[in-house]
Amino acid sequence: DARVTQTPRDKVTEMGQEVTMRCQPILGHNTVFWYRQTMKQGLELLAYFRNRAPLDDSGMPKDRFSAEMPDATLATLKIQPSEPRDSAVYFCASAPTSGRNNEQFFGPGTRLTVL
Amino acid sequence: QKEVEQNSGPLSVPEGAIASLNCTYSDRGSQSFFWYRQYSGKSPELIMFIYSNGDKEDGRFTAQLNKASQYVSLLIRDSQPSDSATYLCAVKGAGGSYIPTFGRGTSLIVHP
Repeated sequence: DARVTQTPRDKVTEMGQEVTMRCQPILGHNTVFWYRQTMKQGLELLAYFRNRAPLDDSGMPKDRFSAEMPDATLATLKIQPSEPRDSAVYFCASAPTSGRNNEQFFGPGTRLTVL
Repeated sequence: QKEVEQNSGPLSVPEGAIASLNCTYSDRGSQSFFWYRQYSGKSPELIMFIYSNGDKEDGRFTAQLNKASQYVSLLIRDSQPSDSATYLCAVKGAGGSYIPTFGRGTSLIVHP
């Protein structure tokens, strides 16, 4: 049963601390997305990779957020330093290609609370 | 700026009724349209996608697309309490990246 996995599922941290979230895309998928979801803003695209190369990270605050794909089985999203306004659910999604009709498969999300 | 608009709801319908969810989009060049269902505390999951004008049916779900009017809708027939969730509309535009733009979702409540 292929699925996207994310760790940790829940993270509570204090303002100023570093937070790292990890995602394992579905094997064979070459496109990976990071989203942030809040009640106020809905689902926002933060970053997008194809074949491990970052193609779009315009939705990400560059001063504190960074996203990488060290290999095809791991994507990371790091926040340093974290702030209370970063509290949200962070979803990773993968897709087999970036083609017109290819759906995204979402991971279970990481619920981040920054105190 | 590409925009996808949905009424946040909640839309409340009785069990057995037809639920109609609507979505409008600003990019006239949009190519593909997706409906995702998201239960509270869970991740979005795809219900349907459509890319041609007209209707597409899958069980109790029908997606309707009207590119001239730039709207896409989702009809749920014989609504069940288990259909209670937030429904997200996503639109993919033209161009090589095909990055989807999501609406903020419509909350649907099906009451017994």
